[in-house]
Amino acid sequence: QLQLQESGPGLVKPSETLSLTCTVSGDSVSSRSYYWGWIRQSPGKGLEWIGGIFYTGSTSYNPSLKSRVTISTDTSKNQVSLNLNSVTAADTAVYYCARHSANDGSWGLFYFDYWGQGTLVTVSS
Amino acid sequence: DIVLTQSPGTLSLSPGERATLSCRASQIVIRSYLAWYQQKPGQAPRLLMYGASSRATGIPDRFSGSGSGTDFTLTISRLEPEDFAVYYCQQYGSSPFTFGPGTKVDIK
Repeated sequence: QLQLQESGPGLVKPSETLSLTCTVSGDSVSSRSYYWGWIRQSPGKGLEWIGGIFYTGSTSYNPSLKSRVTISTDTSKNQVSLNLNSVTAADTAVYYCARHSANDGSWGLFYFDYWGQGTLVTVSS
Repeated sequence: DIVLTQSPGTLSLSPGERATLSCRASQIVIRSYLAWYQQKPGQAPRLLMYGASSRATGIPDRFSGSGSGTDFTLTISRLEPEDFAVYYCQQYGSSPFTFGPGTKVDIK
């Protein structure tokens, strides 16, 4: 059974870097069939796709966040990580790790078939 | 970016009734790459439908999806108590992938 579990600090100071880790069990982040990545949800902006990564290291980011985001994998630990720098209060949200799936023949266009339970990150001094 | 609008904002129905939820896109969603999710309080969204009309694994057949172009519909044929939740649509025809603001289905 596929499970995704997010972990990381629940409180980050403004201008600092938000760092989260997602540990995957029941599948591999080295899978050749999926991207792995992050989505966030806030009362103000709703659900927002952040980005994803393929086992080759290829990434796809939301242009609205691209300048501040890095997503990476640690295949030895079967983990996906998110770094978001220069955070402000607007980055306060529940952050979800999610497996990115694609319809056959449409690689690079993703829906999200498995999600972690989410972790709340608050940006405040 | 494609903006998704969902209506109604809230749908108040009784168990056993039929629910019809709408999702409208600001541009054509190519290949009907539209997904639907269900979210209950304190939980992550759960994938219900993808490709507008394909049910995800384990989703009961009382859920159905339809539509193309800019107009899509999620129908729940007979509401069960566990179906009262918030429903989101998401387009993945073009990046960035975007979500609608949600429709809350609550008990009348």
